[in-house]
Amino acid sequence: DTGVSQDPRHKITKRGQNVTFRCDPISEHNRLYWYRQTLGQGPEFLTYFQNEAQLEKSRLLSDRFSAERPKGSFSTLEIQRTEQGDSAMYLCASSQRQSGEKLFFGSGTQLSVL
Amino acid sequence: AQTVTQSQPEMSVQEAETVTLSCTYDTSESDYYLFWYKQPPSRQMILVIRQEAYKQQNATENRFSVNFQKAAKSFSLKISDSQLGDAAMYFCAYRSADDKIIFGKGTRLHILP
Repeated sequence: DTGVSQDPRHKITKRGQNVTFRCDPISEHNRLYWYRQTLGQGPEFLTYFQNEAQLEKSRLLSDRFSAERPKGSFSTLEIQRTEQGDSAMYLCASSQRQSGEKLFFGSGTQLSVL
Repeated sequence: AQTVTQSQPEMSVQEAETVTLSCTYDTSESDYYLFWYKQPPSRQMILVIRQEAYKQQNATENRFSVNFQKAAKSFSLKISDSQLGDAAMYFCAYRSADDKIIFGKGTRLHILP
């Protein structure tokens, strides 16, 4: 069990560029979650997966955001045409699909849009 | 839709004293789970304690305990014998029956030596 890993740890991009983040969950975990967190705030739910199926996407999420989990293992989060307001920490977490199971979090990807 | 509210943006407590962090939530579900997570300056989220909604008994983990009031939809965290290492952001979280998990905005806890 190597934990949840996210890549890259930091990303600096210019406004208007596209960025993609990767998350590798704990291998036996079938639930995978994406959150966005700004400094001093709580994690904001973006989307989650059961294996390769995307169960829900936040209604607050712009169409510029898309996430995939094509083989039910790793996941990618893409942001198109980035804006300065997208600057945040993007957290990935995974868990077993058992009632009440806790989330295991990655270290996050810090995005800065200039 | 479910919501989680933490009304205390910041709290301070003297080392070795007891502090209580508040959390309220709104839901129409009867079956759910509640959590408290700790996020130290390293920003790695750590589970502190978990409560099943169907259990009346309050969860306890060493110096951490909760006061779960289901009818009032209240879920407070009590930290006894506060230690310097307890300084962090604390987030209350709600896990619904379909496993969606939402967080409150957090309470920043300062420990005064």
